[in-house]
Amino acid sequence: DIVMTQTPLSLSVTPGQPASISCKSSQSLLHTGGKTYLYWYLQKPGQSPQLLIYEVSNRFSGVPDRFSGSGSGTDFTLKISRVEADDVGVYYCLQSIQPPFTFGPGTTVDLK
Amino acid sequence: EVQLVASGGGLVQPGGSLRLSCAASGFTVSNNSMAWVRQAPGKGLECVSVIYSGDSTYYADSVKGRFTISRDNSKNTLYLQMNSLRAEDTAVYYCARTWGHWGQGNLVTVSA
Repeated sequence: DIVMTQTPLSLSVTPGQPASISCKSSQSLLHTGGKTYLYWYLQKPGQSPQLLIYEVSNRFSGVPDRFSGSGSGTDFTLKISRVEADDVGVYYCLQSIQPPFTFGPGTTVDLK
Repeated sequence: EVQLVASGGGLVQPGGSLRLSCAASGFTVSNNSMAWVRQAPGKGLECVSVIYSGDSTYYADSVKGRFTISRDNSKNTLYLQMNSLRAEDTAVYYCARTWGHWGQGNLVTVSA
């Protein structure tokens, strides 16, 4: 099974400041077809997870451009350029290159 | 607009059965891969089952032989039949159009 790890597991950020979350996979997520199957989600308190980034760096519909994703192979990063109050919650990465499809443990982001 | 409306959760005794439904609108379930993801209280996300557009299916080892994923194309609805339920199946269950749109969660509680 592919193991997903995230660092840090918690993050306190001053509004308006940037934030960065790392996600590492135990195997490459690069498919032979050329796509890399790494996704980022935000789960706000009491809500369903919402997709932010798909295939490493593509913002999902309606996602603000302060969110960006980067990386390749086994190392990936989610960056928030300027954290807002609406960004608090738990951030998860997901790999879907092969089953079992696995999520990272989550990174809790709150405001200072 | 894509919408997923889940129903069917509740309290069930160990060894019992329950069926979750996920009614979709704004897209055709049979043309998409669909998944059920669960989240135990205070825990992270676990993908338990996926059904692909070609009808093949995937099950996590934790539910294999007990859960069955299916869809009714005439109702544009996804299902998860859960049998031989255990206390460790207690979780909020989400349906998802892999991996973008998610429905609201449905709580399943397995307890005597």
